[in-house]
Amino acid sequence: GAGVSQTPSNKVTEKGKYVELRCDPISGHTALYWYRQSLGQGPEFLIYFQGTGAADDSGLPNDRFFAVRPEGSVSTLKIQRTERGDSAVYLCASSLHGGYNEQFFGPGTRLTVL
Amino acid sequence: AQSVTQPDIHITVSEGASLELRCNYSYGATPYLFWYVQSPGQGLQLLLKYFSGDTLVQGIKGFEAEFKRSQSSFNLRKPSVHWSDAAEYFCAVVPGTASKLTFGTGTRLQVTL
Repeated sequence: GAGVSQTPSNKVTEKGKYVELRCDPISGHTALYWYRQSLGQGPEFLIYFQGTGAADDSGLPNDRFFAVRPEGSVSTLKIQRTERGDSAVYLCASSLHGGYNEQFFGPGTRLTVL
Repeated sequence: AQSVTQPDIHITVSEGASLELRCNYSYGATPYLFWYVQSPGQGLQLLLKYFSGDTLVQGIKGFEAEFKRSQSSFNLRKPSVHWSDAAEYFCAVVPGTASKLTFGTGTRLQVTL
């Protein structure tokens, strides 16, 4: 079946602009995660959804970052007033039920803030 | 807080040679441990995982890893490396009560022919 998909694959924006990144998880997966990977680093956790609710948002760096999953499937990561330091690859993953179940990762969205 | 250390940033091996990538974790109890591989242009793929039981776990693509509690380590091994194994390898941990992955900084593997 289809894996996790993310759109767009690349996004270039200007400092101060607003961006939305989309994640389509594997069908039937209740858990969805967002991670951010900076150059030369491992992915860093941002937020975890179980169904429609954010079960853990402790990784969001500040209030410019927000994510939603209104119907328990597709999720959107929203970044307001983008800064150059937000440039990174944003990864989405989903798993069947969360916990320690295997997380399946999408290809990521590369965000560049000029 | 839990953390993962991968002391080797970059490793080069010859095709056919054996491989060991190091991973050390910091966590009070036994965590859930994972190894992921990231190839250029591709997403992260799970190689293997350790939850409990046998401390030697087998994964895909001929990889294995051994959990050593006394050393807080979970090193990845492969007896004979193929050129297609060149990629970035990440060790990760999930604490028993949480769901999020904490990743190490990764080891980039280069394979020479």
